Amino acid sequence: DIQMTQSPSSLSASVGDRVTITCRASQGISNSLAWYQQKPGKAPKLLLYAASRLESGVPSRFSGSGSGTDYTLTISSLQPEDFATYYCQQYYSTPPLTFGGGTKVEIK
Amino acid sequence: EVQLVESGGGLVQPGRSLRLSCAASGFTFDDYAMHWVRQAPGKGLEWVSGISWNSGSIGYADSVKGRFTISRDNAKNSLYLQMNSLRAEDTALYYCAKVGSSWSNWFDPWGQGTLVTVSS
Repeated sequence: DIQMTQSPSSLSASVGDRVTITCRASQGISNSLAWYQQKPGKAPKLLLYAASRLESGVPSRFSGSGSGTDYTLTISSLQPEDFATYYCQQYYSTPPLTFGGGTKVEIK
Repeated sequence: EVQLVESGGGLVQPGRSLRLSCAASGFTFDDYAMHWVRQAPGKGLEWVSGISWNSGSIGYADSVKGRFTISRDNAKNSLYLQMNSLRAEDTALYYCAKVGSSWSNWFDPWGQGTLVTVSS
């Protein structure tokens, strides 16, 4: 099974800050990585897939990068509506499909 | 608009069974694989099971293998999860999710979830 290690598990940031979340796979996943945003009481929402492809309708302040085992989600300028929990997910190898543990982005 | 609506959750005693359903609309259901993902209260996301468009390929998490069975009825645009021998650790919000692409396994969109509580 491919393990996904996400860091940090939480962070505090201010509106306008640049925020970076990392996800490390236990083996290479060839950019087969998706990022989701989840707000309290809501289902997860797809932000990016194939490591760096922005889902339609997602603001361009969200971007993804990486290769091999290490991937990054960046929010270039944090907005009030971005306070949420973010998850990465590998789909290179299945079963199982695996998620990172999540990163909670809180208001500083 | 793509919609996924789960149902069938509830309070069930340990060892009993429950069947979840997911009604799909707004897309050609039999073009896409479908999955179940769960989230225990206050915890992260855990993939449970997935099924290909024609039911020819099925997978399970080790935590549910032998107890849960995924199925689909393409004529009814519906996905199911039969859950047997339920345990307290199966307590979670269960989401059904469509794959974002017919050739890959990211999830888009997700349903709103149905809550399963296993307790005596």
